Amino acid sequence: AQKVTQAQTEISVVEKEDVTLDCVYETRDTTYYLFWYKQPPSGELVFLIRRNSFDEQNEISGRYSWNFQKSTSSFNFTITASQVVDSAVYFCALSEARGGSNYKLTFGKGTLLTVNP
Amino acid sequence: NAGVTQTPKFQVLKTGQSMTLQCAQDMNHEYMSWYRQDPGMGLRLIHYSVGAGITDQGEVPNGYNVSRSTTEDFPLRLLSAAPSQTSVYFCASTPSRTGGAGNQPQHFGDGTRLSIL
Repeated sequence: AQKVTQAQTEISVVEKEDVTLDCVYETRDTTYYLFWYKQPPSGELVFLIRRNSFDEQNEISGRYSWNFQKSTSSFNFTITASQVVDSAVYFCALSEARGGSNYKLTFGKGTLLTVNP
Repeated sequence: NAGVTQTPKFQVLKTGQSMTLQCAQDMNHEYMSWYRQDPGMGLRLIHYSVGAGITDQGEVPNGYNVSRSTTEDFPLRLLSAAPSQTSVYFCASTPSRTGGAGNQPQHFGDGTRLSIL
């Protein structure tokens, strides 16, 4: 069974602070995919990144960066110089690869990030 | 390009009523899924489909029924609504690709907020 744990239920920071959202996953597969989604107060789900299990290279996109470490089964997300518009619920998700059945996502419970001005 | 369209956006039902949540995508995606989002629970998979005529159960299928007669549409039916089904429902679609679609991000609709009284 696959599982995603986001231990931080809520985080509150002041604008311009850096913040890291933790994600730990469990899977028995060697091939799998990891995702981060953002859910702003308006409610839609916004795709941020996907990473496959064979690619441990960290990624940076503007103020966002992701640290994938297979040794600790973690896929953490860092926002540098946070802004009020970053306030949202962030979900980490895992998709296993079983005979092509990669479309089922297992989500963590989410982390509510509040960035105060 | 409308993407994934869910209707209605809001609905209030009485216990015991039935209704169908509609989901349509215009991207010719083979894979479609329904998730429910409850406070503090993240998103959980209800049912999914790998193509027209093929459906299967997810993590929380009880009380829901689905069918997939066309590639474009994947309706979710509540047979006899219960207060425990009060939730926000998201439909998602993913393109298939040789080697699996897991590395493709799921395209989500904007959600249907359902209240059962």
